[in-house]
Amino acid sequence: AQSVTQLGSHVSVSEGALVLLRCNYSSSVPPYLFWYVQYPNQGLQLLLKYTSAATLVKGINGFEAEFKKSETSFHLTKPSAHMSDAAEYFCAVSPQGGGNKLTFGTGTQLKVEL
Amino acid sequence: GAVVSQHPSRVICKSGTSVKIECRSLDFQATTMFWYRQFPKKSLMLMATSNEGSKATYEQGVEKDKFLINHASLTLSTLTVTSAHPEDSSFYICSARDRGQGNYGYTFGSGTRLTVV
Repeated sequence: AQSVTQLGSHVSVSEGALVLLRCNYSSSVPPYLFWYVQYPNQGLQLLLKYTSAATLVKGINGFEAEFKKSETSFHLTKPSAHMSDAAEYFCAVSPQGGGNKLTFGTGTQLKVEL
Repeated sequence: GAVVSQHPSRVICKSGTSVKIECRSLDFQATTMFWYRQFPKKSLMLMATSNEGSKATYEQGVEKDKFLINHASLTLSTLTVTSAHPEDSSFYICSARDRGQGNYGYTFGSGTRLTVV
């Protein structure tokens, strides 16, 4: 079974600082990987996805993530945090090919301080 | 881009009544829709997967008779919480997969906050 682990349920950064949210996956074959953002009382918005093309994936709002097979990681980064980035972030995995389900990590709450 | 409309956004109901939540794909055909439940400060728990025109597939531990799912068309899936109880209070989110995007295109609704009193 596939799974993702998000290290750190809470991350706090200063405005303008680097954002690094960690995600490691477990899968016997390379999966598809996703990062989603959730604002309070809202659904999930896709930030970016890895679907076995380029290993460095650029998403919306200045976020990017790099797929590292050797480390089974798909960490999310943003060079400079903005107050509006404060939200819950979820890493998710799905199987390549015919699989349907997204399996989510436990989420990381990002706090951005002045 | 793909948009999924979920309705209502908030609902309060009395214990013992039923509540229906709708999930519509507005500009694409969704062969598959997913229903999730999210507890406070927790991740999303997949409840069931529904395919248009067939019965939903429920995850282990989810009561089929309690959470009725209907996916009658390529653009609409509904979740009915029957005989709701306070422990059913939660945030429910639907997701639709765009048939045109294969395994890439999951679009989420904005969620429904259900409170059972």
